[in-house]
Amino acid sequence: DGGITQSPKYLFRKEGQNVTLSCEQNLNHDAMYWYRQDPGQGLRLIYYSQIVNDFQKGDIAEGYSVSREKKESFPLTVTSAQKNPTAFYLCASSPRGQGSGEQFFGPGTRLTVL
Amino acid sequence: GQSLEQPSEVTAVEGAIVQINCTYQTSGFYGLSWYQQHDGGAPTFLSYNALDGLEETGRFSSFLSRSDSYGYLLLQELQMKDSASYFCAVSGGYQKVTFGIGTKLQVIP
Repeated sequence: DGGITQSPKYLFRKEGQNVTLSCEQNLNHDAMYWYRQDPGQGLRLIYYSQIVNDFQKGDIAEGYSVSREKKESFPLTVTSAQKNPTAFYLCASSPRGQGSGEQFFGPGTRLTVL
Repeated sequence: GQSLEQPSEVTAVEGAIVQINCTYQTSGFYGLSWYQQHDGGAPTFLSYNALDGLEETGRFSSFLSRSDSYGYLLLQELQMKDSASYFCAVSGGYQKVTFGIGTKLQVIP
């Protein structure tokens, strides 16, 4: 089945540790996105990528890093510089060019930093 | 930059009609999307408006007025399962998508 997978579903880390969240899609989509969602809040854009080997900062990129070495994969690293990393992280992809309206979301990863 | 405004909460009765409004400010506008998110789940796409007017998909309709920077989502024949958060999202330049804070819809019997 085509779709977006994120792993793991729940992740616990100690403060000060970097952690990488996985996002894989087999939809052949060019664009991929990372969002952060805090309880009762909307989705805030962290990073996005329109094409392999290219990505742009979103609205809250500080403390995060990404790579886009393959079309199918867009991993997000939450670094120790991120002051409040506990949140629900959602990855999405989009099939069409600029102005595409539909994003397909993965199931999300809940990160808890202890 | 981009910013969106939508009501934080709405309550409606089962079987009724509810409208969720969204106003936006953006530099570079391609379209307005709507998503549904149940508690603990991921957002799912509902509709997209690139041009002015009404788009209908079953019980859900979405409207856009580009000149007013305004859109709404209309849910008809409300069902209990429609209780969820609804997000409007603006597609801007360079495929950047910005979401509103979401409207929590509670459907009551």
